[in-house]
Amino acid sequence: QQQVKQSPQSLIVQKGGISIINCAYENTAFDYFPWYQQFPGKGPALLIAIRPDVSEKKEGRFTISFNKSAKQFSLHIMDSQPGDSATYFCAASISGNTPLVFGKGTRLSVIA
Amino acid sequence: DGGITQSPKYLFRKEGQNVTLSCEQNLNHDAMYWYRQDPGQGLRLIYYSQIVNDFQKGDIAEGYSVSREKKESFPLTVTSAQKNPTAFYLCASSRRGEDYGYTFGSGTRLTVV
Repeated sequence: QQQVKQSPQSLIVQKGGISIINCAYENTAFDYFPWYQQFPGKGPALLIAIRPDVSEKKEGRFTISFNKSAKQFSLHIMDSQPGDSATYFCAASISGNTPLVFGKGTRLSVIA
Repeated sequence: DGGITQSPKYLFRKEGQNVTLSCEQNLNHDAMYWYRQDPGQGLRLIYYSQIVNDFQKGDIAEGYSVSREKKESFPLTVTSAQKNPTAFYLCASSRRGEDYGYTFGSGTRLTVV
């Protein structure tokens, strides 16, 4: 049973374009939704996170959109750059109570 | 600098051997976690510990064991009972509480030879 479903599995975007990665979750008790960025051979690093009391959170070029009724959230990377090429993971948890459950990841390639 | 250190970076194991992966943190975090990463599978939880001398099984605990004798340390032993141990292993730590983010180590790549 996959609690967090992430799509697409891979994504190729032109430099300057918008990258969009989607996640859907099953457990309505989840209340913390982070995104992690991972470069090859490294551990993931927290990129941005959202809680269900807001529908959108923006940090620089990165935005999370959250749709509680649809049980979906997405990561938007504006003005995508080659340095953004990495694997991105969405995750969810019941904050302070359970470990993070991760999606399967999206490999993003930004080409010039 | 505060952080989380995993060692070794690369590890080779013969069939039938137990191996122990080290994870140390100096962030004063209460909780620590072990995840396994396989291509296309995301991160799957092996074990986690929220306080010293206590730990819980994750989704794929079979063939693995852990200990948490000190707040700073959470070693993972991959036993010979783990049928497919070749993977990238990630250790993480976090504060307990309402909002937290994980700090991950740089991982250990284990290969069975």
